[in-house]
Amino acid sequence: DVKVTQSSRYLVKRTGEKVFLECVQDMDHENMFWYRQDPGLGLRLIYFSYDVKMKEKGDIPEGYSVSREKKERFSLILESASTNQTSMYLCASTAYRGGNQPQHFGDGTRLSIL
Amino acid sequence: AQSVSQHNHHVILSEAASLELGCNYSYGGTVNLFWYVQYPGQHLQLLLKYFSGDPLVKGIKGFEAEFIKSKFSFNLRKPSVQWSDTAEYFCAVNNAGNNRKLIWGLGTSLAVNP
Repeated sequence: DVKVTQSSRYLVKRTGEKVFLECVQDMDHENMFWYRQDPGLGLRLIYFSYDVKMKEKGDIPEGYSVSREKKERFSLILESASTNQTSMYLCASTAYRGGNQPQHFGDGTRLSIL
Repeated sequence: AQSVSQHNHHVILSEAASLELGCNYSYGGTVNLFWYVQYPGQHLQLLLKYFSGDPLVKGIKGFEAEFIKSKFSFNLRKPSVQWSDTAEYFCAVNNAGNNRKLIWGLGTSLAVNP
């Protein structure tokens, strides 16, 4: 069974801090994704990566960056946290064997920026 | 641009009632279609998917969905809901030409009263 592990369930940070959210998957998946989930807005894609050191912007990349140095790990970085980045952050992964492969999700990190 | 529309944002049912959640997408090419569910406090998980073959697909926990290509629809159904079906349901689509990214609906919150 695929396991996607996010480093923290809950995180509280202050405005202006640099914040790191970590995600690890154990199935050798090529593709990894970071979303944010807000009530009434569904899931919005921040960044995704389809290979080590490769990344593509999603729909809302402003204020975020990512790092993928190893295939199993995908990090989301808030360069200078702001209160409007308070949200639930979800990491997902999928194997690239055609688009019919489902995405597998972690439990999410609920991030509060004070 | 591709989009996914879920007709109902909030649905309240009594146990044993039948459920149908609407999902329409806008894309004229070949698509892969997914329904995901998020139970309270849990991670998003796949309910069912369609990518080819029989347009009526069956998923976990008694759910099914029907792909109607002429209507660009992929509605989710369950003949008799249970209290444990209380959750948020998301429809998602990708296309065969750019199949790394999923396009998500905004979700439908289902509450089942015992």
